[in-house]
Amino acid sequence: DVKVTQSSRYLVKRTGEKVFLECVQDMDHENMFWYRQDPGLGLRLIYFSYDVKMKEKGDIPEGYSVSREKKERFSLILESASTNQTSMYLCASSLELTPVYNEQFFGPGTRLTVL
Amino acid sequence: GNSVTQMEGPVTLSEEAFLTINCTYTATGYPSLFWYVQYPGEGLQLLLKATKADDKGSNKGFEATYRKETTSFHLEKGSVQVSDSAVYFCALSEGNYQLIWGAGTKLIIKP
Repeated sequence: DVKVTQSSRYLVKRTGEKVFLECVQDMDHENMFWYRQDPGLGLRLIYFSYDVKMKEKGDIPEGYSVSREKKERFSLILESASTNQTSMYLCASSLELTPVYNEQFFGPGTRLTVL
Repeated sequence: GNSVTQMEGPVTLSEEAFLTINCTYTATGYPSLFWYVQYPGEGLQLLLKATKADDKGSNKGFEATYRKETTSFHLEKGSVQVSDSAVYFCALSEGNYQLIWGAGTKLIIKP
């Protein structure tokens, strides 16, 4: 079974803290993605990575950074957490970027609350 | 730009009812279309897809037909079960890395 795991299911942090969200996939996929999911807005892409050490901004990168030092691991970093970053964060991976093969495999999500 | 519009939820049905969740899209070219499902407490998973006009995707009793003339990809199931309760997302992909997502439709099936 293919698997994407995320380090925490629930996380509570304080405003101004530095927050690390970790994601690991075991499918040898080239591409990994970080989304946030908010009610009524669906999924919005924060960053993605198409290779080790390579990254691209998505639609809402402000306030976030990412790191991909190994193929299987993709980290999302909130440099200084703010209350408007309270959300569900989803990690995904895919074998190909092209549309026909663009099936993405998702982790269970991390629900982050920033107080 | 490209976009996906889904019917607002929640949609509440009784077991064995017929289900339709509407999805329409705007795109400049010829996108691939997807339905993903998110069961409670789990990550999203691909339910079905269609890659060209008139294709029908199907899985687990769900179907959706890629209609270019109406720019639609409605999700249907003939007889829903309580276990189908979930959030359903329509998405498209066109020519690049990105999946464009609808807002999601929550489906509640009552026994």
